[in-house]
Amino acid sequence: AQSVSQHNHHVILSEAASLELGCNYSYGGTVNLFWYVQYPGQHLQLLLKYFSGDPLVKGIKGFEAEFIKSKFSFNLRKPSVQWSDTAEYFCASDKFYFGSGTKLNVKP
Amino acid sequence: EPEVTQTPSHQVTQMGQEVILRCVPISNHLYFYWYRQILGQKVEFLVSFYNNEISEKSEIFDDQFSVERPDGSNFTLKIRSTKLEDSAMYFCASSEAGTSLTHEQYFGPGTRLTVT
Repeated sequence: AQSVSQHNHHVILSEAASLELGCNYSYGGTVNLFWYVQYPGQHLQLLLKYFSGDPLVKGIKGFEAEFIKSKFSFNLRKPSVQWSDTAEYFCASDKFYFGSGTKLNVKP
Repeated sequence: EPEVTQTPSHQVTQMGQEVILRCVPISNHLYFYWYRQILGQKVEFLVSFYNNEISEKSEIFDDQFSVERPDGSNFTLKIRSTKLEDSAMYFCASSEAGTSLTHEQYFGPGTRLTVT
């Protein structure tokens, strides 16, 4: 069965640190992948998506993710986080599978 | 910017009671979805709805659940006889088309359902 997994449940960083959140999927066919963010008290919002083409996808607010088919991974990265990036981040696939989420806490 | 809205924000009900959770999707969207997130667990897909019928549903979406688009704007999720384990945050989402056609889903703020 298809699934999406996120192994980091809670990440604490200082401002300006680099971020990488892991996401792995298990599905052998064509897969479309998403990263969503949920800021405290707000809706889930789309950060970026991958459907095909360039495996390095750039999203909003300086986030990017790289689709590595050989590793079944779609990790989210940001070179320098800000306090305002404190939120919960969800990886998801187009068959409505969500990862368990990673809570990011950025300390000022 | 148009957004998906959900009411109520918090619903408390007794076990065995029926609840209806309401959603107003974005007006030009054609696909509608319900998800739930039990506290501390992952977001789980319940059902997708297109052209006035269910297009996909998960194992969670059993006979206790139903969805309806009673008019041109609302999209509802009904739980006929609530159980304690139905306590969760329920999210509605809508999209212009199915996500496999590159259209993203827009999520509402959620309804927190507490079954006592």
